[in-house]
Amino acid sequence: SQQGEEDPQALSIQEGENATMNCSYKTSINNLQWYRQNSGRGLVHLILIRSNEREKHSGRLRVTLDTSKKSSSLLITASRAADTASYFCATDASGANSKLTFGKGITLSVRP
Amino acid sequence: GAVVSQHPSWVICKSGTSVKIECRSLDFQATTMFWYRQFPKQSLMLMATSNEGSKATYEQGVEKDKFLINHASLTLSTLTVTSAHPEDSSFYICSARDVRGSNEKLFFGSGTQLSVL
Repeated sequence: SQQGEEDPQALSIQEGENATMNCSYKTSINNLQWYRQNSGRGLVHLILIRSNEREKHSGRLRVTLDTSKKSSSLLITASRAADTASYFCATDASGANSKLTFGKGITLSVRP
Repeated sequence: GAVVSQHPSWVICKSGTSVKIECRSLDFQATTMFWYRQFPKQSLMLMATSNEGSKATYEQGVEKDKFLINHASLTLSTLTVTSAHPEDSSFYICSARDVRGSNEKLFFGSGTQLSVL
């Protein structure tokens, strides 16, 4: 069953703008992860935030986690056309060796 | 970073035939690998967890005899779609965890697009 639910389902922005994607989940988690998928390809891990963390940065990525609201957001700053892809949040309920539950994904289109 | 190789990247087969998909961890050992199925513009649906040296753990609703999983070594897991039918047409993706690291993030293969005629 899917736990993560992202919104919006699709997002179209101009190059240079910021893109904000949200994810909500239902049960307690050990960590939450964001992945990116280019069309017809596998997923690539972007960033992981643990349940005791509130914010994390990696390059142009900023992820926040609000465990009280069971939600996370992924911000991509100064977007580029190459950021065009699908983005998935995934929740990990119990840490190492457990399975991840993926959301439905957000399709991001960055217009040059 | 860790690399997972999945082969083939696409396959077309006739209804009733069997198709084998390989998933290899190239530069690390993976005691656990995961197999997913993905329909167009949808999320990944976990099919099964492949455990090296033991039986795979299948998710509810996934037929064990239909989707055979073998994880004979620490670097190779295979998924065989037996007696494939058009409804089995989908994008199949494998993933693995690198036991050397924090063991939390997944490394994915590039996927296999299966089309059953």
